Amino acid sequence: EVQLEESGGGLVQPGGSLRLSCAVSGFTFSSHWMSWVRQAPGKGLEWVANISPDGSGKNYVGSVRGRFTISRDNAKNSLHVQMNSLRDEDTAVYYCATEVLGAGRIFDYWGQGTLVTVSS
Amino acid sequence: DIQMTQSPSTLSASVGDTVTITCRASQNINSWLAWYQQKPGKVPKLLIYKASSLESGVPSRFSGSGSGTEFTLTISSLQPDDFATYYCQQYNTGGTFGGGTKVDIK
Repeated sequence: EVQLEESGGGLVQPGGSLRLSCAVSGFTFSSHWMSWVRQAPGKGLEWVANISPDGSGKNYVGSVRGRFTISRDNAKNSLHVQMNSLRDEDTAVYYCATEVLGAGRIFDYWGQGTLVTVSS
Repeated sequence: DIQMTQSPSTLSASVGDTVTITCRASQNINSWLAWYQQKPGKVPKLLIYKASSLESGVPSRFSGSGSGTEFTLTISSLQPDDFATYYCQQYNTGGTFGGGTKVDIK
């Protein structure tokens, strides 16, 4: 059974930092592109960043580029995102998600999400 | 950046109805469009990819069509389990989602 479990969310002040993690099991993690997708409270979905299977390729949405860094540890089946210079508008539930093999940036498995609240 | 616009934002329907949701892209995305269903408190579920390909396990009452900049999701004979919010997503460049369409009970 595929499982993804996010951790690391919480309350942080504007300008602060937070590191989210996603522990995965039940599939060959090292074969998949992985993404972070977020959803502000009561709002729609926003793709945030993704990373290639070997970690060499990374992409970001414009609003987080230069502030967020995605990474992965294939030996530990884990995905991470380091979020710096956080802003109010980064408040959201952050989901890790697997990209469908060979299909592009679409997502077939999702974690349950971790809430990040940026507020003073 | 490619913008995705869904309409309507809310749709009221009854069990058995056929409903259609439209998604427009700000530029040509060929057929690189997916549709997801999300219920309150749940994660999104992939329904359709490449504009019209049904994800495994998704009921055949869901169908997608379109290419270029205009796309539709059709749900035939709406079932109680289908009341949810639906999102389109382009994956031609990046991965922009539409704003969502909430399908609720009339």
